[in-house]
Amino acid sequence: TQLLEQSPQFLSIQEGENLTVYCNSSSVFSSLQWYRQEPGEGPVLLVTVVTGGEVKKLKRLTFQFGDARKDSSLHITAAQTGDTGLYLCAGPAGGTSYGKLTFGQGTILTVHP
Amino acid sequence: DSGVTQTPKHLITATGQRVTLRCSPRSGDLSVYWYQQSLDQGLQFLIQYYNGEERAKGNILERFSAQQFPDLHSELNLSSLELGDSALYFCASSVAGTGGTGELFFGEGSRLTVL
Repeated sequence: TQLLEQSPQFLSIQEGENLTVYCNSSSVFSSLQWYRQEPGEGPVLLVTVVTGGEVKKLKRLTFQFGDARKDSSLHITAAQTGDTGLYLCAGPAGGTSYGKLTFGQGTILTVHP
Repeated sequence: DSGVTQTPKHLITATGQRVTLRCSPRSGDLSVYWYQQSLDQGLQFLIQYYNGEERAKGNILERFSAQQFPDLHSELNLSSLELGDSALYFCASSVAGTGGTGELFFGEGSRLTVL
């Protein structure tokens, strides 16, 4: 079973600060995805990284896939209160179905005004 | 709005009972996935259907079953409910379901509370 470990579990910061969330595994993943989930809603896909060493940017969010494809990070620059939510990394759990995902336990981010 | 509709949003029932959760995928999506989210286990994949056929299975309990109907909506049946089954159950859909990477669109979930 491929496991994904996220750190930290909880992050409480002030608006304007920078932060990084990590997603690590001992297994190689063909791709990793990052989702954001708000209370009362389902996860929403932010990005998919597929190439080792790949860096993708989404406005103030920067996603990196490790060279060995065993880890990924999400960096948020100048966090805003609207960034508050649960951030989840996910990777294919094996087999041909790309929707059969293994999720990390998540990082609960709270950004205070 | 992801386009995936789940009903009911909230459900409270007693141990030993049976419930059915319903999911309507986005228009045009052939794959439906069921996930369970709990505080201790996080998001766990249960099962996938593609165009009416079971495509992939996770750690779904034998007390749970699912099906996808010709109109592509899906139902997740949970029986002999136990306290530990209390969780958020999410349905997600995608256009296909195999090959490469793809985007899952999640519904808002059904919150099940077993008393």
